[in-house]
Amino acid sequence: NAGVMQNPRHLVRRRGQEARLRCSPVKGHSHVYWYRQLPEEGLKFMVYLQKENIIDESGMPKERFSAEFPKEGPSILRIQQVVRGDSAAYFCASSTDRWYGYTFGSGTRLTVV
Amino acid sequence: DAKTTQPPSMDCAEGRAANLPCNHSTISGNEYVYWYRQIHSQGPQYIIHGLKNNETNEMASLIITEDRKSSTLILPHATLRDTAVYYCIVRLMDSSYKLIFGSGTRLLVRP
Repeated sequence: NAGVMQNPRHLVRRRGQEARLRCSPVKGHSHVYWYRQLPEEGLKFMVYLQKENIIDESGMPKERFSAEFPKEGPSILRIQQVVRGDSAAYFCASSTDRWYGYTFGSGTRLTVV
Repeated sequence: DAKTTQPPSMDCAEGRAANLPCNHSTISGNEYVYWYRQIHSQGPQYIIHGLKNNETNEMASLIITEDRKSSTLILPHATLRDTAVYYCIVRLMDSSYKLIFGSGTRLLVRP
């Protein structure tokens, strides 16, 4: 019974490169949430997706960030032209229904050098 | 912004009960109280949630005051592995039902 799988666990990118973070939700879960945690800070909501739809992206930066959750395959958080301020832990969570608590993945630690 | 207030840190002795308070004085009637914890830099772990009645599961108990303006998470027999940051969250019941994390309480369980 695999939980939420995120990969890679660690990702290093040079400034200006693209970062792609993948999240495979718990089997049967169709709701996916992405959060960002800067060093020594709390988790900040970024985006909520259901299969093929973005429901709430109020926490996403207006530029360079995008997210998708296709009908088949994992959810992808994409950061274009990364900058040092993007260095953070990115957590994905999934749920079977919006009423239930989320199951979080172990996160992807992005380091921009 | 988070709608809860928690002490920044607490400690308790191993084997004793840990009581973590949370104030949510502006909670609405249809908003639930959720508790999560984050051990070191792992992903947050769901603990428990409730609306107005007290709740108990294998991990903890949740006591919500009658006016629902505050709650207490109780870990009945704290162990060293319970050392973590504990987040009390009022769950927004808008279209996304997203969880808004605050600063949490850093609980240190002492040997």
